[in-house]
Amino acid sequence: AQTVTQSQPEMSVQEAETVTLSCTYDTSESNYYLFWYKQPPSRQMILVIRQEAYKQQNATENRFSVNFQKAAKSFSLKISDSQLGDTAMYFCAFIQFYGGSQGNLIFGKGTKLSVKP
Amino acid sequence: GAGVSQSPRYKVAKRGQDVALRCDPISGHVSLFWYQQALGQGPEFLTYFQNEAQLDKSGLPSDRFFAERPEGSVSTLKIQRTQQEDSAVYLCASSLPGSSYEQYFGPGTRLTVT
Repeated sequence: AQTVTQSQPEMSVQEAETVTLSCTYDTSESNYYLFWYKQPPSRQMILVIRQEAYKQQNATENRFSVNFQKAAKSFSLKISDSQLGDTAMYFCAFIQFYGGSQGNLIFGKGTKLSVKP
Repeated sequence: GAGVSQSPRYKVAKRGQDVALRCDPISGHVSLFWYQQALGQGPEFLTYFQNEAQLDKSGLPSDRFFAERPEGSVSTLKIQRTQQEDSAVYLCASSLPGSSYEQYFGPGTRLTVT
């Protein structure tokens, strides 16, 4: 079974500082995609960043970057220069394909991040 | 509309009632997913459509749950004889297969069964 584990239920960080959220996953697939989604209190799930497993280079989106360690099946999210608007639940997710076309997401349980002024 | 919309945003049902939750995907998105998110948990997959075809319904928790997408656009998730354990947020997502695999989520419907 494919699983996603987020071991930090809650984290807090001071505004302008850097924080890293952890994620590990388990799969027997060789080609897959990993995602970090943000869910603020409004409930709208928003994609933060995406990583293709075949790419060795870590994905970066502005203040957000990942540390993808394929052999260790680890996919952590680093948020630099944290802002108050980053306060939200963060979900790590893995996509399970249907014969290479499309697939459903498998989510971790989430990390609640609070950014303090 | 620019995004995925869902209605109603909130639904309160008495135990035993039937409910219907609606999802309007982004225009042109052929893939549509339903997820169930219990309080304090990550979303869990329920079912998947490609156009009007329901390709996977392995996540539906019981035969009281039924989903349809008859014309390949709007989808309805129906729950018959609701139970308290059905209380959750139901999320709908749509995507274009073979692109970035990004799924675009709606705001969800919070169902409370009393």
